[in-house]
Amino acid sequence: ETGVTQSPTHLIKTRGQQVTLRCSSQSGHNTVSWYQQALGQGPQFIFQYYREEENGRGNFPPRFSGLQFPNYSSELNVNALELDDSALYLCASSWEQGRGNYEQYFGPGTRLTVT
Amino acid sequence: RKEVEQDPGPFNVPEGATVAFNCTYSNSASQSFFWYRQDCRKEPKLLMSVYSSGNEDGRFTAQLNRASQYISLLIRDSKLSDSATYLCVVNGLTGGFKTIFGAGTRLFVKA
Repeated sequence: ETGVTQSPTHLIKTRGQQVTLRCSSQSGHNTVSWYQQALGQGPQFIFQYYREEENGRGNFPPRFSGLQFPNYSSELNVNALELDDSALYLCASSWEQGRGNYEQYFGPGTRLTVT
Repeated sequence: RKEVEQDPGPFNVPEGATVAFNCTYSNSASQSFFWYRQDCRKEPKLLMSVYSSGNEDGRFTAQLNRASQYISLLIRDSKLSDSATYLCVVNGLTGGFKTIFGAGTRLFVKA
């Protein structure tokens, strides 16, 4: 096991609602990245948080936002949910020096279904 | 063109076979490279980092060719337990940190 935990495991929401997903990073790691994985596809990078600041972002709209806390845990918030947001949401932690060269370790994911 | 492209699958091989996966990337400024494996409905697990000098971990060998912008993974003496999806990953710092996963190549190892 990687030591990265995510909650909740599963979630069902209605279109237009808002959702918050949580991630606790592995001990000793200071960076958390979030990914969206649709069925049959590779994970798509949403954003990364390093030292409580967004360090990079993929091609996701502003309604996808996040936070990182002083203990390096993190939240992913998605507003105005759409049906296409249904996916597995993964977080990964790593120890970085701001250069993005290190291995990432994934949590088990949160499976979000939007109806 | 996708930023990271992998061999289309699936690969169906018998136990004991050697199988090779290739992955190409488009951003020449990419900085670090990895292979992950993902079992059905599970999270990706780090298999190995990839270096220009090549690196080996038991039956697995990874190689990076920066000039041609591709990475490879070789699995020797395939086991049934190697059946999974193999994902190549490329990290870069152009315009902020970014990780790009390939779509994955599915491997089935048969008895």
